[in-house]
Amino acid sequence: DGGITQSPKYLFRKEGQNVTLSCEQNLNHDAMYWYRQDPGQGLRLIYYSQIVNDFQKGDIAEGYSVSREKKESFPLTVTSAQKNPTAFYLCASSIGLGRGVDSNQPQHFGDGTRLSIL
Amino acid sequence: ILNVEQSPQSLHVQEGDSTNFTCSFPSSNFYALHWYRWETAKSPEALFVMTLNGDEKKKGRISATLNTKEGYSYLYIKGSQPEDSATYLCAYNKGRNFNKFYFGSGTKLNVKP
Repeated sequence: DGGITQSPKYLFRKEGQNVTLSCEQNLNHDAMYWYRQDPGQGLRLIYYSQIVNDFQKGDIAEGYSVSREKKESFPLTVTSAQKNPTAFYLCASSIGLGRGVDSNQPQHFGDGTRLSIL
Repeated sequence: ILNVEQSPQSLHVQEGDSTNFTCSFPSSNFYALHWYRWETAKSPEALFVMTLNGDEKKKGRISATLNTKEGYSYLYIKGSQPEDSATYLCAYNKGRNFNKFYFGSGTKLNVKP
């Protein structure tokens, strides 16, 4: 079955540590996204990537980093510079703009990772 | 950061009731409006993509309308069932060559049997 896999489901971080959240997709999608959800707020975009080896900052990129070395994978690192990392993180993918389709394609989501600070 | 508002924040209805909720978005530079359904412990699932003013989409008992001139979309559920309980998200996209979505905070629907 095609889909998006996020791991782990729950993650705990000590103060001062970097942690990496995994996101893998087998949908052959070009575009991938990371969102953060806090209570009472909408999903906020952290980073997105339209194609391999390229990514752009979203609205709340400070304290986060990403890489896109493979089409299937878009890991997110929450660095110690992120002052309030406790949140629910969602990864998504979409067909992308690179195949002549426009941007009204829906995004497909993983099940999320909940990150907490110890 | 663009403002996408959803109301109400939460809604409790009885099984069999019909209900509706609203998504408001900037009416300038509109390209597409997406609705998602997000059940607890699952991933958000796409319901509709709407692009034209006056669009109406339907999937079973759920339908949606779009008014791009005034910047709102309504989602309707006819004869709510307990399995409709979920958070309904809308997301606004402002350009053909623009892959960023702006999400509302969602309407959480609880349907009591």
